[in-house]
Formats: sequence, structure tokens, C-alpha cells
Amino acid sequence: EVQLVESGGGLVQPGGSLRLSCAASGFTFSTYWMSWVRQAPGKGLEWVANIKQDGNEKYYVDSVKGRFTISRDNANNSLYLQMDSLRAEDTAVYYCARDSWAGNALDYWGQGTLVTVSS
Amino acid sequence: AIQLTQSPSSLSASVGDRVTIPCRASQGISSALAWYQQKPGKAPKLLIYDASSLASGVPSRFSGSGSGTDFTLAISSLQPEDLATYYCQQFNGFPFTFGPGTKVDVK
Repeated sequence: EVQLVESGGGLVQPGGSLRLSCAASGFTFSTYWMSWVRQAPGKGLEWVANIKQDGNEKYYVDSVKGRFTISRDNANNSLYLQMDSLRAEDTAVYYCARDSWAGNALDYWGQGTLVTVSS
Repeated sequence: AIQLTQSPSSLSASVGDRVTIPCRASQGISSALAWYQQKPGKAPKLLIYDASSLASGVPSRFSGSGSGTDFTLAISSLQPEDLATYYCQQFNGFPFTFGPGTKVDVK
């Protein structure tokens, strides 16, 4: 069974940093692109970033470029999102998701972890 | 960035009704579109990929159609458990943007 479990969320002050983790199991993690998607309270979904299987290609939404870094550890089946220079508008539930092999889609999602940026 | 629009933002329908939810892209995206269902407090769930392919385990009352700039998610016979918000997402170019969502209420 495919499982994605996020952790690392919490309350952080504006300008602070936080590192999210996503533990993957039930599939061969090293063979999939992986993504982060966020959802601000009461708002819609926003794709944040994704990373290729070997970690050599990474893409970001403009609003987080230069502040967030996506990475992965294939040996430990883990995905990460390092978030620096956090702003109030980064407050959201952050989901880890697997990019589908079968076609254009995110086929499995974690339960999400809440990040709150506030003083 | 490619923009996706979903209108209306919400709709109400009765159990058994056929419901259609549109999604329009700001430029052609071929068939690089997915649909998701999100229930309150839950993670999104994949329904449709490549615009018209049904994801594994998804009831056959859900279907997707369209290509280029205009897409539609259809629910052939609305069920009470279909109360949710439905999002489209494009994969034609980075960033992989989502539409703003359509909330479906069951009368």
C-alpha cells in the first residue's frame, strides 16, 4: 500500500525557517518524480515544487523561488521541503504527492502538515 | 504561467442528477489535465488523468473529456458522497497550476 506521511509542520515567526519531511513507503520511491502542494486555510490548492527521480531537476512556483528548496533522499525514501524567509502568506497545509507514471496527475497524496507563519 | 478557470465556483444538484464541471485553460494544454476530488478536512483524491482516463478505483459515474483549452468533469448520477470540491490541474508547463475549484452541494 502506497503511503506518504508528512511531518515537520508547526508555528514559526515571519522570516524564520522550517523543514518539512515526507516519508514514503509501499512503492519504489527512487523511480518517481515527487511534488509538494499547499493549501492556505479556506483556499484552493497551489502546486509548490517538484523533483525528478535523481534529484537533478527541480521546479518551483514563482512565489517560493529563492526561498524554498525541494530535495530527496532515495536511500531513505524521503522527500523534503526546506522553507526559509517564511512569510504570513506561506501559512498552509503542505501535502506531499507522487507524480503518476501512468499519465499527467498526482496519484497519491499524504495527509498534510500545517505550517503557520505568525508572530 | 498557464491559468485555469473553473466556473461556477459552486453548484447545487439533486441526487441522481447529471453534473458537469468545466475547466478552461488560458492556452492549449493538449490532454495534460487531471481532476481531483477533495472532501472537507481531507487530502485531494485523483479522479481523472490525461483529461479522460479514469483513475484506479474511481466509480464509473465519473468521466472526463476535452482537449486543448476546454475540459469537463462529469458525474453521471450524483450521489450523496460526491459532496466535495473538484479541482482541475494542468501538466503542460511549469508551474503545474490548479484551477480555483468548484464546490458541489447535494440538495
